[in-house]
Amino acid sequence: QVQLQASGPGLVKPSETLSLTCAVYGFSVSSNSYWGWIRQPPGKGLEWIGTLSHGGNTYYNPALKSRVTMSVDTSKNQFALRLTSATAADTAVYYCARRSGDNLFDPWGQGIRVTVSS
Amino acid sequence: ETVMTQSPATLSVSPGESATLFCRASQSVSYNLAWYQQRPGQAPRLLIFGMYGVYTRASGIPARFSGSGSGTEFTLTISSLQSEDYGVYYCQQFNNWPLTFGGGTKVEIK
Repeated sequence: QVQLQASGPGLVKPSETLSLTCAVYGFSVSSNSYWGWIRQPPGKGLEWIGTLSHGGNTYYNPALKSRVTMSVDTSKNQFALRLTSATAADTAVYYCARRSGDNLFDPWGQGIRVTVSS
Repeated sequence: ETVMTQSPATLSVSPGESATLFCRASQSVSYNLAWYQQRPGQAPRLLIFGMYGVYTRASGIPARFSGSGSGTEFTLTISSLQSEDYGVYYCQQFNNWPLTFGGGTKVEIK
């Protein structure tokens, strides 16, 4: 069964880059697959950040596109998220997930809380 | 972008009763609509999704969860609520880019 685990700094300073990785267990990221990042600001709903294919093709939310980079590392069986020029509005729980079928997400990792603050 | 609006924001339901949750899209998403459940302190999990006119429950999801709707109006019905069903439910459209979620409906114990 596929399991995902997000990791990275829990605190990022404003204007710096938020960097997270998602380790995948029970499935090879180099197989025909797609992976996604979704975030949830405190007390709010879910926001899709982007989707990444095993081959490195990316699809980003236009609202974040200018600041987002997603990449896959097949040697470590993980994928990554970089969000530049972080602001307080980027404070959220960040989830990584496998894209299932047609742009659904299943399963999700446990999420990592990231706070942007000086 | 396609804005997803869920109602009600909160639904108070007694155990054993049924619950009906609504999701409205700002433009047609055909049948391409999914529902997720988020229990307190947990990640969301996929419950049910529509595609090609058919609603399918994700693996391990009990039959008391059912979905319906097309175009812009969608419904999630939970029959005979169990204690593990309490939490927040989100709809997500996957017909248009960018992918978007609704604001959620909290199902709480009455």
